[in-house]
Amino acid sequence: NAGVTQTPKFQVLKTGQSMTLQCAQDMNHNSMYWYRQDPGMGLRLIYYSASEGTTDKGEVPNGYNVSRLNKREFSLRLESAAPSQTSVYFCASSDQFPGTGLQETQYFGPGTRLLVL
Amino acid sequence: DAKTTQPTSMDCAEGRAANLPCNHSTISGNEYVYWYRQIHSQGPQYIIHGLKNNETNEMASLIITEDRKSSTLILPHATLRDTAVYYCIVRLNNDMRFGAGTRLTVKP
Repeated sequence: NAGVTQTPKFQVLKTGQSMTLQCAQDMNHNSMYWYRQDPGMGLRLIYYSASEGTTDKGEVPNGYNVSRLNKREFSLRLESAAPSQTSVYFCASSDQFPGTGLQETQYFGPGTRLLVL
Repeated sequence: DAKTTQPTSMDCAEGRAANLPCNHSTISGNEYVYWYRQIHSQGPQYIIHGLKNNETNEMASLIITEDRKSSTLILPHATLRDTAVYYCIVRLNNDMRFGAGTRLTVKP
């Protein structure tokens, strides 16, 4: 049981390049999330997927797209990377408390460190 | 989701209790209080959560005031490995907003 895994661990891009960050979870969770964390700051939600086939914007969605490929996988794509997207990206997953709709605790992956030059 | 206010940093002696405060004066009746921590550059780790009653687990205790406008996370016997940034979050559902948190340093 690996929990939440992310690839790659590190990436350097040039401005304008595109890339996809991959995330997978093996806990059979319905919901998955993408956050970014800038130096000295807390995490900010980019996008989330409450269930397979649905995605919703979070606090800072501009410049990103997501795909909920299946229940296990949730990818984050940067179509044209900008230096402002230099950050650490965390993926997380959670499930719902039965009958309440309230999300259980989120489990986080180890992060992807992205540098855009 | 309601906003939270936490001290920027705190120190604690090893073996002593660490008490981390959080103000959430605009919390609504159905929002939960969650605590996470982030050790160095790792992904955040869940600690504990509660709605109205005080909660305790193997990691910590959570004390929520009767009016729910503030809470305190208690690490009963802090160790050097508890040095981390601690985040207090109030949330209803999917959108979990992290603030800057409290940087706790446990000293020998």
